[in-house]
Amino acid sequence: DAKTTQPTSMDCAEGRAANLPCNHSTISGNEYVYWYRQIHSQGPQYIIHGLKNNETNEMASLIITEDRKSSTLILPHATLRDTAVYYCIVRVGHSNSGYALNFGKGTSLLVTP
Amino acid sequence: SQTIHQWPATLVQPVGSPLSLECTVEGTSNPNLYWYRQAAGRGLQLLFYSVGIGQISSEVPQNLSASRPQDRQFILSSKKLLLSDSGFYLCAWIGWDRVGAFFGQGTRLTVV
Repeated sequence: DAKTTQPTSMDCAEGRAANLPCNHSTISGNEYVYWYRQIHSQGPQYIIHGLKNNETNEMASLIITEDRKSSTLILPHATLRDTAVYYCIVRVGHSNSGYALNFGKGTSLLVTP
Repeated sequence: SQTIHQWPATLVQPVGSPLSLECTVEGTSNPNLYWYRQAAGRGLQLLFYSVGIGQISSEVPQNLSASRPQDRQFILSSKKLLLSDSGFYLCAWIGWDRVGAFFGQGTRLTVV
């Protein structure tokens, strides 16, 4: 797996956009960027994923740089309930063989009133 | 729809006692299953993953073992628990489609 690096923690004011960066400079051509988040004491929740084009869904937007070496998860209007640990991982999107998926430590996002 | 069941939710065990955590998956066949551990204030540490019955890959050598006796069943075990085994254990099915991943509700293990 390509390794990812994320800031340990970030703060964001409620109602503002939260921009969470992720570096994945060793990403391979067939690896997707996936984002998950984990609210305290729960299992991680899927947010969004992409290969090279920017993606948007009801939860967030994903901006991937043209060289695919970094990406940014955008929560357009952060709420207090978005306080969580956000994990960025890269993985092959389609495979019949399992392989290790390491979530790392993620970014702890604190949304403040 | 796919669901993943993990039990028990909480467990308090004495040092030296055995452990067995069970995870079952519904709504899919031949899933890739994972066991993770999360110590307090730490990230998710991958412990084991399995691509099929009887196939186990270990990521971190330690006091734990895993088994896949059935296609939709993944078990995490220990013969003798250590204090350092305390943590939040998560079972996951991570698919290869747009859905991403399903996680169990987790087991909070406290070894005393």
